[in-house]
Amino acid sequence: EDKVVQSPLSLVVHEGDTVTLNCSYEVTNFRSLLWYKQEKKAPTFLFMLTSSGIEKKSGRLSSILDKKELFSILNITATQTGDSAIYLCALKGNTGKLIFGQGTTLQVKP
Amino acid sequence: DVKVTQSSRYLVKRTGEKVFLECVQDMDHENMFWYRQDPGLGLRLIYFSYDVKMKEKGDIPEGYSVSREKKERFSLILESASTNQTSMYLCASSHRQGAYEQYFGPGTRLTVT
Repeated sequence: EDKVVQSPLSLVVHEGDTVTLNCSYEVTNFRSLLWYKQEKKAPTFLFMLTSSGIEKKSGRLSSILDKKELFSILNITATQTGDSAIYLCALKGNTGKLIFGQGTTLQVKP
Repeated sequence: DVKVTQSSRYLVKRTGEKVFLECVQDMDHENMFWYRQDPGLGLRLIYFSYDVKMKEKGDIPEGYSVSREKKERFSLILESASTNQTSMYLCASSHRQGAYEQYFGPGTRLTVT
């Protein structure tokens, strides 16, 4: 059964800290791994990863995929209070459906 | 600009009522999805649709049905609402082919009393 596990489930840091969010997975046929950020409402897309070892970067956020060890990490450097959100990792297999992890709730304190 | 809209942000219904949640996308996407989101459980797929009049069960379809009469509209129906269906409901859409991401609506927080 395809599965996605995120860790930690919640995290509290102070502004300026660097955080690393983890996503491990099991899948029969891997197509892509996606990261989303969810604040008050709709999850918004951050990254899609399909190839191992290639870092995707957007400002202070970056993500990388390891297809051999079956995990991905999302890094946020110099965190700000606006980074407070739920971060969702999702896996896409052959069916086209997304399988989501439980999410990591990040709180950044001033 | 990509847009997925849902008919209500907040909804309160009584046990046993029939509930309709509507989702509309303006991106000409073939795929549409309904999820529910509960604390500690992440997003769980209820139903999805690859095309008009086509539907597939997701991971937790019990107690729900769907309707897709037009490409842009995907409705979730709770035939007889129960308190354990109190949740946040999220609709999403995507292109059918390729590694396209899903775009989400703002969600409907449903409370069943």
